[in-house]
Amino acid sequence: EAGVVQSPRYKIIEKKQPVAFWCNPISGHNTLYWYRQNLGQGPELLIRYENEEAVDDSQLPKDRFSAERLKGVDSTLKIQPAELGDSAVYLCASSLNTEAFFGQGTRLTVV
Amino acid sequence: GEDVEQSLFLSVREGDSSVINCTYTDSSSTYLYWYKQEPGAGLQLLTYIFSNMDMKQDQRLTVLLNKKDKHLSLRIADTQTGDSAIYFCAELSYNTDKLIFGTGTRLQVFP
Repeated sequence: EAGVVQSPRYKIIEKKQPVAFWCNPISGHNTLYWYRQNLGQGPELLIRYENEEAVDDSQLPKDRFSAERLKGVDSTLKIQPAELGDSAVYLCASSLNTEAFFGQGTRLTVV
Repeated sequence: GEDVEQSLFLSVREGDSSVINCTYTDSSSTYLYWYKQEPGAGLQLLTYIFSNMDMKQDQRLTVLLNKKDKHLSLRIADTQTGDSAIYFCAELSYNTDKLIFGTGTRLQVFP
């Protein structure tokens, strides 16, 4: 069974440019998470979906970040415009019940 | 609020046991997890324990939970060089339904 798939693995962009990350969760998992992991720290939740509904987006910086999960399956996370401080690893995870499985992440570098 | 803390580093000799500790503040935690992250990789779920359990053993891994002190530990028996990684403790809050991570403990195993 395929795990959580994220793309791209790496992205380097200049500040003020837009960027998008894509996540395909494990088939059948109704819960999808986006986390941001800064260097040397643990992951911090950005947004959580139950099917296509964003049930917790309290940590998402809504002035520049947006996310969607239109059909309740795969999801995209967008940053527009990117800032230097957005450099981090963006992790997607999915779960069905109590176990959350993570993708390999997208490492974003903003220069 | 929810807070999860871990010591930053642990160094052990190959073949010895490793014990990684974690403390949390949320008394409404339902599940507590241990994840492993190798360099450049996503988080791998190692094991988890329900909050009404004291102990869970899974091959070389033993999880101990002291709910009164809000203390969780992960013991790795016969530690191998392949166990070198960052280990994250996480708790699932009943109140907020959020999965909150600690800052991670870097385990280094030397021959």
